[in-house]
Amino acid sequence: AQKITQTQPGMFVQEKEAVTLDCTYDTSDPSYGLFWYKQPSSGEMIFLIYQGSYDQQNATEGRYSLNFQKARKSANLVISASQLGDSAMYFCAMREGRGSWGKLQFGAGTQVVVTP
Amino acid sequence: SAVISQKPSRDICQRGTSLTIQCQVDSQVTMMFWYRQQPGQSLTLIATANQGSEATYESGFVIDKFPISRPNLTFSTLTVSNMSPEDSSIYLCSVHNGSQPQHFGDGTRLSIL
Repeated sequence: AQKITQTQPGMFVQEKEAVTLDCTYDTSDPSYGLFWYKQPSSGEMIFLIYQGSYDQQNATEGRYSLNFQKARKSANLVISASQLGDSAMYFCAMREGRGSWGKLQFGAGTQVVVTP
Repeated sequence: SAVISQKPSRDICQRGTSLTIQCQVDSQVTMMFWYRQQPGQSLTLIATANQGSEATYESGFVIDKFPISRPNLTFSTLTVSNMSPEDSSIYLCSVHNGSQPQHFGDGTRLSIL
């Protein structure tokens, strides 16, 4: 069964606008972590932001924030003030349980194109 | 965060041959992983590279096809054996250390002719 679901295959966003990328997850483990990565066309995976299942506050890292709604099992990424350099593929990922630290399961990704 | 060097960055290989990809980290890390990203797809975990013992493979991946070594806490290799065009992918090494988020190498773009 799909553990991480990203329902938006692609999005266009205008420069300087905010964009929300959706991510829902499925786990019965009370301990888990949620990640967002950016993959530009060059192929490297760039870590953006992390949210732990026990974290009380939503994670923020510069222009990136994570809208964590635990009851809904969603972990949406918000990019504020989009820049042309934000054009990339964005992946949501989950790490379950204390016994499998580091093992990530990825969603299908969302392609973001920022237009001038 | 750890600096991860992955070599080669890209290669074009003939079918039936094998290629070994190296992953070097600038500090000791607890866990190292190998992922595959087929064209237009997401990342799939191939295996966890265990230091001093056999790698732990995910369903659908076998040691004969993807032998992995991890002789110490800073280095690992992945070999793609007897390659076919279906093996054309980006192969990524990643590391995890304690409470740090998982970081990735720049990947190896592999094309099989």
